[in-house]
Amino acid sequence: DGGITQSPKYLFRKEGQNVTLSCEQNLNHDAMYWYRQDPGQGLRLIYYSQIVNDFQKGDIAEGYSVSREKKESFPLTVTSAQKNPTAFYLCASSISTGEYGYTFGSGTRLTVV
Amino acid sequence: GENVEQHPSTLSVQEGDSAVIKCTYSDSASNYFPWYKQELGKRPQLIIDIRSNVGEKKDQRIAVTLNKTAKHFSLHITETQPEDSAVYFCAASRRGYQKVTFGIGTKLQVIP
Repeated sequence: DGGITQSPKYLFRKEGQNVTLSCEQNLNHDAMYWYRQDPGQGLRLIYYSQIVNDFQKGDIAEGYSVSREKKESFPLTVTSAQKNPTAFYLCASSISTGEYGYTFGSGTRLTVV
Repeated sequence: GENVEQHPSTLSVQEGDSAVIKCTYSDSASNYFPWYKQELGKRPQLIIDIRSNVGEKKDQRIAVTLNKTAKHFSLHITETQPEDSAVYFCAASRRGYQKVTFGIGTKLQVIP
């Protein structure tokens, strides 16, 4: 996956459940990001992290949580407070924030059942 | 904050023709403009980028142009092929700024 791995590829969640999406990178990138993609809505930023043990809310952080305990890992938890979680979730990383391109993971498709 | 507008939202071209996608940005401090290609059901991939110290950059059949004065940049694909069919996203960011702002995306269809 080009150095950034997301798992699982497909995930089904029952109403009221929390689920965690995994994102691991071996690119030695400092910055990591989570995006949500819905049909016709482009890429919307959920959370981002510039360095270990630091992360910031993006544009649609409500109902989500993250941690950054290791440089390589940036897991995303979709909590029961997220009322419309069905979407395609993309993790990305970059050398640093600002003027650097992103490497994206292959995505996790989350469906509420 | 930065605002990036992208158009058209959909574009159909005949194989072999050229395709142009345009983006405008609002923050004059933005200095990095990447373009991503996302094939159906797959991850976006960086295909070309340009920084504000140059006006044009080419890589085989794709090129990007930047007009800092007008605050717009464009992606040009020549001799289009069916495998060019995808959604293309433009983006803008700047040194020291944590977030990249993406355009809404353009769905390009190349008709054989």
